[in-house]
Amino acid sequence: QSVLTQPPSASGTPGQRVTISCSGSSSNIGSNYVYWYQQLPGTAPKLLIYRNNQRPSGVPDRFSGSKSGTSASLAISGLRSEDEADYYCAAWDDSLSGEVFGGGTKLTVL
Amino acid sequence: QLQLQESGPGLVKPSETLSLTCTVSGGSISSSSYYWGWIRQPPGKGLEWIGSIYYSGSTYYNPSLKSRVTISVDTSKNQFSLKLSSVTAADTAVYYCARRSVDTAMVLDWFDPWGQGTLVTVSS
Repeated sequence: QSVLTQPPSASGTPGQRVTISCSGSSSNIGSNYVYWYQQLPGTAPKLLIYRNNQRPSGVPDRFSGSKSGTSASLAISGLRSEDEADYYCAAWDDSLSGEVFGGGTKLTVL
Repeated sequence: QLQLQESGPGLVKPSETLSLTCTVSGGSISSSSYYWGWIRQPPGKGLEWIGSIYYSGSTYYNPSLKSRVTISVDTSKNQFSLKLSSVTAADTAVYYCARRSVDTAMVLDWFDPWGQGTLVTVSS
């Protein structure tokens, strides 16, 4: 059971906009930054969003992050087949004194 | 371009100690702007943070693993290492090393980049 809760799966058709949620608590998302990582099949995770809504250079602006209270969301617009991957949210947890990850969401592009 | 590479045995017997090393190239492990971390992923499952270390030796460990984990750093070799004792089948996973940014207040920030990962299987 992960500390951060994500839906196990999400899907969309090419060109659509999809959103992946990440729910936490006051000790993690509520008081710290949220990060999103993309894991393409058979590869290592890659940083997608940092500090709630910042994109590293090279990440398309189709990807956006937001945070409100103890929840966060990752939105992908103009969905493409190459976006098919697992997506993980993460945050520091003050109560646990450690980094916590969501269970991951498998995105399928139909 | 910074690169990280994990190395170590791919098979460890139950009750023994898992040992892995991460070699950093293209940058210095002694940079004041970064911690260095280990994260693992059991087959078909999600990510679990193991711990992080600063070049000075300061560490943070996952409380659920703390009693079995030791992370150390060798600045002369630009490497950091993971030791996990008393392993069981539940420790079978792909183990990743990654660089962790810290802000000016030494608050831990994002993991980037990551190594390619190495599969460690615990079995007799």
